[in-house]
Amino acid sequence: GESVGLHLPTLSVQEGDNSIINCAYSNSASDYFIWYKQESGKGPQFIIDIRSNMDKRQGQRVTVLLNKTVKHLSLQIAATQPGDSAVYFCAENIKGGSNYKLTFGKGTLLTVNP
Amino acid sequence: NAGVMQNPRHLVRRRGQEARLRCSPMKGHSHVYWYRQLPEEGLKFMVYLQKENIIDESGMPKERFSAEFPKEGPSILRIQQVVRGDSAAYFCASSPPMTDTQYFGPGTRLTVL
Repeated sequence: GESVGLHLPTLSVQEGDNSIINCAYSNSASDYFIWYKQESGKGPQFIIDIRSNMDKRQGQRVTVLLNKTVKHLSLQIAATQPGDSAVYFCAENIKGGSNYKLTFGKGTLLTVNP
Repeated sequence: NAGVMQNPRHLVRRRGQEARLRCSPMKGHSHVYWYRQLPEEGLKFMVYLQKENIIDESGMPKERFSAEFPKEGPSILRIQQVVRGDSAAYFCASSPPMTDTQYFGPGTRLTVL
């Protein structure tokens, strides 16, 4: 399959374990954050988002935590499944006027072992 | 409800040729974004367009690259006189008006020989 990045941080977990993927962002003006999942050869798939007025948001099997003090974002995946294997990107919105462009991190490769 | 459509999915060009990448946003979405993903890198913003307007092209190389989103039809990313360094995956994303959440297409993988 396509290699998104040869020097990505990697996380390897056993099926059924919980996974935590971390992301540091640099711009304190960012006010909107998204986690995307990218499988080999495919486009990024929206997972969950959070705004800067929140510090936690939960979805189905996923939780995003935002720590604005240290500019840190994390994605927690409960009961990780083989289908969760992918590269995970955090993205931040650095809003300038009405511009919603996203700045992406380098990504983390999650491998789930059966 | 079809998602963001991109074509072609794979495009091979020789150095000096032109590449045209097309993106049809999701129904009801009037904002289109183009991103480039080079090997070993994350996605990099290139350009943000609304119908018939370029809102932000700060991520576009100054030469050879252009983008449009006409009143009718798909958004087009055009690369003239391609070079090997243009080889990458090009992703289009769309969003409804006045929202942040962007939904991505499957990408076009450009290979320059």
